[in-house]
Amino acid sequence: QALLVESGGGVVQPGTSLRLSCAASGFRFATHGIHWVRQTPGKGLEWVALISFDGKNQYYGDSLRGRFTISRDNSKNMVYLQMHSPGPEDTAVYYCAKDHRNSGLDPWGRGTLVIVSS
Amino acid sequence: AVQLTQSPSSLSASVGDRVTITCRASQEIGNDLGWYQQKPGEAPKLLVFSAFTLQSGVPSRFSGRRSGTDFTLTISSLQPEDLGIYYCLHDYNFPWTFGQGTKVDIK
Repeated sequence: QALLVESGGGVVQPGTSLRLSCAASGFRFATHGIHWVRQTPGKGLEWVALISFDGKNQYYGDSLRGRFTISRDNSKNMVYLQMHSPGPEDTAVYYCAKDHRNSGLDPWGRGTLVIVSS
Repeated sequence: AVQLTQSPSSLSASVGDRVTITCRASQEIGNDLGWYQQKPGEAPKLLVFSAFTLQSGVPSRFSGRRSGTDFTLTISSLQPEDLGIYYCLHDYNFPWTFGQGTKVDIK
């Protein structure tokens, strides 16, 4: 069965770049888009980005375009989220999730917590 | 961007009650909306996609409907394990956006 595991979170100072990773297994990775979603402490969910199955297309949330970059390595079954110069507002749990028939997200990983603080 | 307005923001109901959550889209989005359940301390889980298609393994007490730009998730008979926060998410165009969430408590 499909499994996604995020890593790379932690405490980072404002303005310091950070790369999150998502390791996928249990499905044909190179045929599925992968999303990132974040959840700020005690608050709701925010869709962050999607990368297409072949990596050729990337889509971002309105407030994130230009600040984050999503990429993938199909030879390693990995997806990455590069956070450029994050600020305190980017403090959140970051989840990766498999695209489900272009109609949703399933399954989700357990998430990785990013805290941006000086 | 499409905005989704969920209501109510929270509810408390008894085991066996019928519970309905609504999500209203700011524009026409066809059937391009799904529902997610997030239990405490867990990642969200897909319940319904394309407005009314139940994801594999989801109990049949969950159902989704659409009327124009209004979408509803109904739990026909609330169970103790249904407590959590429920979110809608549209996939009509980019960026995808979530509703604000509905917290469901058991009385």
